[in-house]
Amino acid sequence: DAKTTQPNSMESNEEEPVHLPCNHSTISGTDYIHWYRQLPSQGPEYVIHGLTSNVNNRMASLAIAEDRKSSTLILHRATLRDAAVYYCILRGEYGNKLVFGAGTILRVKS
Amino acid sequence: GAGVSQSPRYKVAKRGQDVALRCDPISGHVSLFWYQQALGQGPEFLTYFQNEAQLDKSGLPSDRFFAERPEGSVSTLKIQRTQQEDSAVYLCAIPDKDYTFGSGTRLTVV
Repeated sequence: DAKTTQPNSMESNEEEPVHLPCNHSTISGTDYIHWYRQLPSQGPEYVIHGLTSNVNNRMASLAIAEDRKSSTLILHRATLRDAAVYYCILRGEYGNKLVFGAGTILRVKS
Repeated sequence: GAGVSQSPRYKVAKRGQDVALRCDPISGHVSLFWYQQALGQGPEFLTYFQNEAQLDKSGLPSDRFFAERPEGSVSTLKIQRTQQEDSAVYLCAIPDKDYTFGSGTRLTVV
């Protein structure tokens, strides 16, 4: 499974946008880019995923570089409830298991 | 997540004790995964079921770990002769729109 690299931690102010980067230079053509987040004392939850084009949903936006070697998860207005560990994961088209790295700890200040 | 119920929520075991952790997914899900999450780390794959068949157990750390899903619904992860290094959160997941994780069982071996 292709590897991703994320910063260990980031900090944001409440109500401000947050850009969480992920590098995945060894991504293959059929790998989807998935983001999950894990709130304290909870299991991971799905956030968003994409292949080549930028994606938006009610939780976040995903910006994918043209060469697909990096992506950015965008939270448009961070709230205290967005404080969590965010994981960037590559998954093949027919991939089964998810391979997690250490993720990025996002702290949100009020 | 609402689609996966795990019990117990917390378990304290004395070293050497056997434990059984339960995962109860909402009905109709063919696939089921178990993950282990050590403190400060991302979840790591343990094993995967398709119905009652255990198709991949490559992540089980030792032969003290055993998982079953006899009727293709509820699954049990059993750890025999627990050791301190088994202390972790054990997560169950089902592929839904993407993956839905349970809240996990936090196992502490003392």
